[in-house]
Amino acid sequence: LAKTTQPISMDSYEGQEVNITCSHNNIATNDYITWYQQFPSQGPRFIIQGYKTKVTNEVASLFIPADRKSSTLSLPRVSLSDTAVYYCLVGDPYTGGFKTIFGAGTRLFVKA
Amino acid sequence: AAGVIQSPRHLIKEKRETATLKCYPIPRHDTVYWYQQGPGQDPQFLISFYEKMQSDKGSIPDRFSAQQFSDYHSELNMSSLELGDSALYFCASSLQGAQETQYFGPGTRLLVL
Repeated sequence: LAKTTQPISMDSYEGQEVNITCSHNNIATNDYITWYQQFPSQGPRFIIQGYKTKVTNEVASLFIPADRKSSTLSLPRVSLSDTAVYYCLVGDPYTGGFKTIFGAGTRLFVKA
Repeated sequence: AAGVIQSPRHLIKEKRETATLKCYPIPRHDTVYWYQQGPGQDPQFLISFYEKMQSDKGSIPDRFSAQQFSDYHSELNMSSLELGDSALYFCASSLQGAQETQYFGPGTRLLVL
């Protein structure tokens, strides 16, 4: 399983764009990159998934460079309610088995 | 839309007792995962099941066991409970071929006294 590295914490203010970068230098050819959001005492919630280039949904965008050794989760115009822990996971959703490893996530604090 | 259901939501046990946590996956999901999350820690993968067969094991203690039943619900059995077992236990479900897109339940908060 590819190891991921993220910043331990980030601070932002309401209305700003937040970019959280995840490093995954040993990502395999068949691996996808998935981001989860977790609020205190709640289960993680799927945000977005991508393989290459750019993926966008109603919540966030995911930017993946050509070498795929890193990825950036972009949250547009954050609000106080976006304060949470964000996890980057790398794995093969089709043949990679069913073992999911959550690394140390990024604790995002959004201030008023 | 139906979500993952876990029961009980809260459980208080004493050391050396046993506990059984239940998980009901989203309908038509064939894969179930169990995670343990201690205070201030990241979720730790315990075990997963696909089509009622154990598929992968993580850091699950030998005192714990789990299974997935014919209706795809899963149970995590915990014996000889220790103080360190106090944690949030999450169950998640997914479709095979979409293992990275897991839907998590609300969790069971276990307190061992």
